[in-house]
Amino acid sequence: DTEVTQTPKHLVMGMTNKKSLKCEQHMGHRAMYWYKQKAKKPPELMFVYSYEKLSINESVPSRFSPECPNSSLLNLHLHALQPEDSALYLCASSQAGGGNQPQHFGDGTRLSIL
Amino acid sequence: GQQVMQIPQYQHVQEGEDFTTYCNSSTTLSNIQWYKQRPGGHPVFLIQLVKSGEVKKQKRLTFQFGEAKKNSSLHITATQTTDVGTYFCAGVFGGANNLFFGTGTRLTVIP
Repeated sequence: DTEVTQTPKHLVMGMTNKKSLKCEQHMGHRAMYWYKQKAKKPPELMFVYSYEKLSINESVPSRFSPECPNSSLLNLHLHALQPEDSALYLCASSQAGGGNQPQHFGDGTRLSIL
Repeated sequence: GQQVMQIPQYQHVQEGEDFTTYCNSSTTLSNIQWYKQRPGGHPVFLIQLVKSGEVKKQKRLTFQFGEAKKNSSLHITATQTTDVGTYFCAGVFGGANNLFFGTGTRLTVIP
C-alpha cells in the first residue's frame, strides 16, 4: 500500500477535454512533486511545490497547470493535451524539498490521449 | 547538459547470481538516492548516500558512492525473483535543489 494516493488510476481523454489529476498525502510532508514517466524511461520532474508554493517548473507546457490547495493535496489540471502527453503521471512527496529527502511515490495515473 | 547515466540498460541473470548496476554523473553530486520500480509499479526509495566513499548495506544489497561523488553502484548478492524490476539512481547536482533520475537498469531474474 502506498501512503500517497492518486486518482484516477487510469484516464482516457480527447485532445479537447479538460480533466484533473489528484494527489493526496497525510504524512505531513511539505514538498510535493509531479513527474511524467514514459514507458521504459526514468521519471521526469515537472513541478515541485514546497510549503504550498510552486518552487520548480521544469519548462512544462502551459497545457499542464498545477495547483496545491493545501499541504496535503496536489492537483494537475489538463487541457488541450497532445498524443505525446500519454504517459504515467506520478505524484510524490517528501518531508521537505531540496532533493535530500526520500520521496514517496503514488501509484500514478496512466493517461492516454486520443 | 547535466546527465546521469546507468549501465547496463538491461541485465538478465540466473537466480542466485550476483548483479551490479553503475550510475555515472557528468558533474559532482551532492547526494544520491536509489529507487526500485517493479513492473507496473511506482518507484520505491531504497537508500540515500551523502558522503564521499560512503558504503551502505541492506541485507543482500550494497550501495557505494564514489570518492569524487560522480558515480555510484548498487550490488545485489545472490539475486532472487523478488529482485526483478528497474533500479534507478537519482542525484542532486551541486547547487540544484531537485532530484535528477538516472536512465535506469532493468533487472530480470530467471528462476
